[in-house]
Amino acid sequence: LAKTTQPISMDSYEGQEVNITCSHNNIATNDYITWYQQFPSQGPRFIIQGYKTKVTNEVASLFIPADRKSSTLSLPRVSLSDTAVYYCLVGEYNFNKFYFGSGTKLNVKP
Amino acid sequence: DTGVSQDPRHKITKRGQNVTFRCDPISEHNRLYWYRQTLGQGPEFLTYFQNEAQLEKSRLLSDRFSAERPKGSFSTLEIQRTEQGDSAMYLCASSSDPNGYTFGSGTRLTVV
Repeated sequence: LAKTTQPISMDSYEGQEVNITCSHNNIATNDYITWYQQFPSQGPRFIIQGYKTKVTNEVASLFIPADRKSSTLSLPRVSLSDTAVYYCLVGEYNFNKFYFGSGTKLNVKP
Repeated sequence: DTGVSQDPRHKITKRGQNVTFRCDPISEHNRLYWYRQTLGQGPEFLTYFQNEAQLEKSRLLSDRFSAERPKGSFSTLEIQRTEQGDSAMYLCASSSDPNGYTFGSGTRLTVV
């Protein structure tokens, strides 16, 4: 399992764009990058997944440089409800277990 | 079907007792996973089922832990002779493809 490194915590204000970067220096050719969001007392929730370049969905964007050794989750115009822990996971597309790490605790302030 | 359901949501037990948790996955999902999460840490993989077959177990799953998925639908996770170190949130997830992992809200176990 390719391990990941993320900042332990980040602070932001409502309405700002938040970028959370994850390092995964040992990512393998077949690995995908997946981000999950977790609120207290709930299970993680899938946000976005990508292999290279840029992926965008209705809630976030994922930027992956050419060497794929890092990735950046971008949350546009965050609100208080985006306060959560964000996990970056790396594994094969058909991988059956993930290494979550400790995640990044995002605190959005009014 | 509204998602992955776990029961109970909370369980307090005395050290040495046995506990059993249940997970009902999304009905069309053939894959089911158990994870454990302690305070301040990310979830840790415990075991994985495809239909009724248990295909992988973590070393975290000691001999006191057993998981079953008898008919390829719901799953149970049993912990025998509980220890204080077993106190954690036990999360179940299901999927039908790698992009569709859906987690339940978990069962919080407290061993006193």
